[in-house]
Amino acid sequence: QKEVEQDPGPLSVPEGAIVSLNCTYSNSAFQYFMWYRQYSRKGPELLMYTYSSGNKEDGRFTAQVDKSSKYISLFIRDSQPSDSATYLCAMSGRDNNNDMRFGAGTRLTVKP
Amino acid sequence: EAQVTQNPRYLITVTGKKLTVTCSQNMNHEYMSWYRQDPGLGLRQIYYSMNVEVTDKGDVPEGYKVSRKEKRNFPLILESPSPNQTSLYFCASSWTGLPDTQYFGPGTRLTVL
Repeated sequence: QKEVEQDPGPLSVPEGAIVSLNCTYSNSAFQYFMWYRQYSRKGPELLMYTYSSGNKEDGRFTAQVDKSSKYISLFIRDSQPSDSATYLCAMSGRDNNNDMRFGAGTRLTVKP
Repeated sequence: EAQVTQNPRYLITVTGKKLTVTCSQNMNHEYMSWYRQDPGLGLRQIYYSMNVEVTDKGDVPEGYKVSRKEKRNFPLILESPSPNQTSLYFCASSWTGLPDTQYFGPGTRLTVL
């Protein structure tokens, strides 16, 4: 069993829809949770970074962490065609880059 | 412009022919890493470096070498590439070693025949 599971999609939604992206994990030691956005032929870029359980909001993006269920989510409100990308979840037990585990990524397309 | 550059962006080679993928950053970052990205597996760390002349293995270091002789450069060396090293490779750099300061390069698509 992988430490981090993420549905690869693809996911296709109409412009303006609310998008929900999710990951589950098995390692209860994970405390730091990240979401990356990766456009085609580009490197990942950090979108959201949260510690422990709870919600974090940044503009149209909301990250949720439920450690009791080992489940994290990224919500995108009022989705735009420019949100079309692959979204990677990542998590770590320590606050450094050397202990991160990534999901396989969910490919999202937002249609005008 | 702050950036991480990789060269080449695309490379097709044959089994056993030594190759080097270069990585350079212009942000004076101390931390640098190499990852590979494979379908269904996500990103996996190959090697990382916390400073000049300080490197350590990540999760999948077999078949790879790195060096960090200068702060800005962190080349990835495949001494004898094999087909299972066909992958998309990313270099990343970070000011503090924390995920919220990590910048990724544009990637190098490597095919080993």
